[in-house]
Amino acid sequence: EIVMTQSPATLSVSPGESATLSCRASQSVSSNLAWYQQKPGQAPRVLIYGASTRATGIPARFSGSGSGTEFTLTISSLQSEDFAVYYCQQYNNWPPWTFGQGTKVEIK
Amino acid sequence: EVQLVESGGGLVQPGGSLRLSCAASGFPFSSYSMNWVRQAPGKGLEWVSYISSTSSNTIYYADSVKGRFTISRDNAKNSLYLQMSSLTAEDTAVYYCARRGMTTFDYWGQGTLVTVSS
Repeated sequence: EIVMTQSPATLSVSPGESATLSCRASQSVSSNLAWYQQKPGQAPRVLIYGASTRATGIPARFSGSGSGTEFTLTISSLQSEDFAVYYCQQYNNWPPWTFGQGTKVEIK
Repeated sequence: EVQLVESGGGLVQPGGSLRLSCAASGFPFSSYSMNWVRQAPGKGLEWVSYISSTSSNTIYYADSVKGRFTISRDNAKNSLYLQMSSLTAEDTAVYYCARRGMTTFDYWGQGTLVTVSS
């Protein structure tokens, strides 16, 4: 099973600033990596797949990068609606599909 | 518009059983593989089970539920199911059904809460 590790657990950011979230895989997942956003009381929604491709309707301020074992989600100019929990997920070796433990982006 | 609506959650005693349903609409349900993903209170996401499209001939389970949970689908009714038995407190979670697109889980339902407690 591939273990996904996200850092930091919590990120405090002021509106308008940028945020950089990290995700590491225990073995290579190539570019088969997705990022999800989850707000309180809501289901997750996919932001990025293929490590760097934005899903339909996702604003350009969200960008993903990386391959192999190291990945980054960058949110530029954070808006109020971006404060949420973000999960990475690998879909290279399955089952199981595995998620990171999440990074909470909170208002500083 | 793609919609996934879960139902069937509730309070169940340890050792009990429960059947979750997920009603799908807005897309050709039989053409997509489907999943159940759960989230314990205040915790992260855990994949639970997968069923392939059409003939349902490929099924997978997380080790944590293998032998206790059964996934199934009725393509004629555009519905996904999860039969859960021998439930323990560790199964307490919001259960989401999620469509597997070309790569990722591209659509999720709003979830149904399962609470296992005496």
